[in-house]
Amino acid sequence: SAVISQKPSRDICQRGTSLTIQCQVDSQVTMMFWYRQQPGQSLTLIATANQGSEATYESGFVIDKFPISRPNLTFSTLTVSNMSPEDSSIYLCSVVAGHLANTGELFFGEGSRLTVL
Amino acid sequence: DAKTTQPTSMDCAEGRAANLPCNHSTISGNEYVYWYRQIHSQGPQYIIHGLKNNETNEMASLIITEDRKSSTLILPHATLRDTAVYYCIVRERFFGNEKLTFGTGTRLTIIP
Repeated sequence: SAVISQKPSRDICQRGTSLTIQCQVDSQVTMMFWYRQQPGQSLTLIATANQGSEATYESGFVIDKFPISRPNLTFSTLTVSNMSPEDSSIYLCSVVAGHLANTGELFFGEGSRLTVL
Repeated sequence: DAKTTQPTSMDCAEGRAANLPCNHSTISGNEYVYWYRQIHSQGPQYIIHGLKNNETNEMASLIITEDRKSSTLILPHATLRDTAVYYCIVRERFFGNEKLTFGTGTRLTIIP
């Protein structure tokens, strides 16, 4: 299994500012994912962050808005840039772990609840 | 786009078996079916997964039809703590990058 810690757990931010969310994993993992969950909605994948390569963004998400760092196998950051109220969401970090890569489970952090005023 | 279809909501009496259906008619031969649940204000929690055989663990059972176009998650003795949104997910593997695409899920309410 994998234990994932996210910081901050919640924050209230002003429009136009940026916030960086940290994700720390207790074991080395190759693949990390960042999801967004808007109020009352399901999870939407923002990007896949593999160590040693550029993040791969899903349709509708761009690097300028959501820059991601992945400096090592246990840590990643997601920045929400130039925030607007529409960015108010829960942002979740997740990793694939398990001894069988093809059937590895996806573990999630508790999420970072962001409110933009 | 999500590749699964689930009912929006379900109720189940406490102590009874909760059966949550999922349709995944376009699933391909090497794709797995995963189930996760999300209790309010928490990150999603892994429940179970399967390829084509039925699976059981300490949390639940997964029944996959022979044609693999649908499956059912069974919580054998539902408790109030099982109230959550349950997501049925088909796992994609694309050039070694593995993605999980979440649908809208089923909101399961356990009734005392």
